[in-house]
Amino acid sequence: QVQLQESGPGLVKPSQTLSLTCTVSGGSISSGAYYWNWIRQRPGKGLEWIGHIYYSGRTYYNPSLRSLVNISIDTSKNEFSLKVSSVTAADTAVYYCARGKGRLNGMDVWGQGTTVTVSS
Amino acid sequence: QSVLTQPPSVSGAPGQKVTISCTGTSFNIGAGYDVHWYQHLPGTAPRLLIYSNNIRPSGVPDRFSGSKSGTSASLAIAGLQAEDEAEYYCQSHDSSMTALGMVFGGGTKLTVL
Repeated sequence: QVQLQESGPGLVKPSQTLSLTCTVSGGSISSGAYYWNWIRQRPGKGLEWIGHIYYSGRTYYNPSLRSLVNISIDTSKNEFSLKVSSVTAADTAVYYCARGKGRLNGMDVWGQGTTVTVSS
Repeated sequence: QSVLTQPPSVSGAPGQKVTISCTGTSFNIGAGYDVHWYQHLPGTAPRLLIYSNNIRPSGVPDRFSGSKSGTSASLAIAGLQAEDEAEYYCQSHDSSMTALGMVFGGGTKLTVL
């Protein structure tokens, strides 16, 4: 049973970089069948896709966030990571990582989510 | 403003059937991209309910069904149960911006009366 778990600081200061990691257990992140996603939910809002990465390192980002976001993968640690630079209060959200079977398919395994607050 | 449009809320009594719509455009659902549906309870991880328009993952009751036509899709929930009370999201892909991206609906709150 594949499980995903987000980790990282719960509080980030404005203008700094938000960094989160998603650890994959029960399966290999190097499986070519999956894309590894980051999604967030701001308070009172719906789900927002941030981007995803393939095991090869190929990335795709939400066009509205691309300039501030970087997703990377470490197959040796079976984890992938998210960095959001120059954060503002608008980046306060619950951040989820999720597995997608193929680039255009649904996401069948999700982490529990981690709350990140941007505040001084 | 979400790219995919869902009603903010729907409600129904136990045992009834409700339908949640998801309206897109020729750049997403109408372009042929599949629609997927998620159930989200507060404080928990979203759960994939329907993928590729109308396929239920293993473990999802057959009370849940999905369909797609033109630029819209729908999620139907039959035999409503109290445990179905949750937020529901549709998801597809959109090619209207500089690159193909994943998009969600704004979410629909289902209340079981």
